[in-house]
Amino acid sequence: KQEVTQIPAALSVPEGENLVLNCSFTDSAIYNLQWFRQDPGKGLTSLLLIQSSQREQTSGRLNASLDKSSGRSTLYIAASQPGDSATYLCAVRLYSGANSKLTFGKGITLSVRP
Amino acid sequence: GAVVSQHPSRVICKSGTSVKIECRSLDFQATTMFWYRQFPKKSLMLMATSNEGSKATYEQGVEKDKFLINHASLTLSTLTVTSAHPEDSSFYICSAGQSDYEQYFGPGTRLTVT
Repeated sequence: KQEVTQIPAALSVPEGENLVLNCSFTDSAIYNLQWFRQDPGKGLTSLLLIQSSQREQTSGRLNASLDKSSGRSTLYIAASQPGDSATYLCAVRLYSGANSKLTFGKGITLSVRP
Repeated sequence: GAVVSQHPSRVICKSGTSVKIECRSLDFQATTMFWYRQFPKKSLMLMATSNEGSKATYEQGVEKDKFLINHASLTLSTLTVTSAHPEDSSFYICSAGQSDYEQYFGPGTRLTVT
């Protein structure tokens, strides 16, 4: 059974700091991995999606990497801002197809202090 | 980008009553929709996979007679919580797939059963 782990559960950093959020998964035979952002009481916003054949994806100040063989992914946030404060979840998908499920980690709650 | 809506965003109901939550894909057709439940400080738990025109597939431990799912069209899936109890209070989120590799999430529905 696939398990996704995100440690630590919470992180507080000063504004401007570069930071890395970690995600690990037990079954390396994934189809893709997605990073999401969730604000309190809100739904999920997709940030980056990495296919199993890719090593990284970038969007603005965000960079996500994937090391499938070791079962790890990182989300790098450059020059963090208070507006980045949110919970970040990673999720893996084992196979392609519309019915393919996502398995989520518990998320990392990030607080960026002004 | 692909947009998924949920209605209502918040609902308070009395114990014993039923509540219906709608999930709509606004600008694309979704053959598959997913229903999740999220407890405070916990990850998303997949409840069921909903396919247009067929019965939903429920995850282990989810009561299909209590959580009725209907996917009548390519843009609408509904979740009905029957005979709701306080322990059903939670945040319910749906997602819809536009392609076979990405899901788009709705904003969620906060259910409170008194």
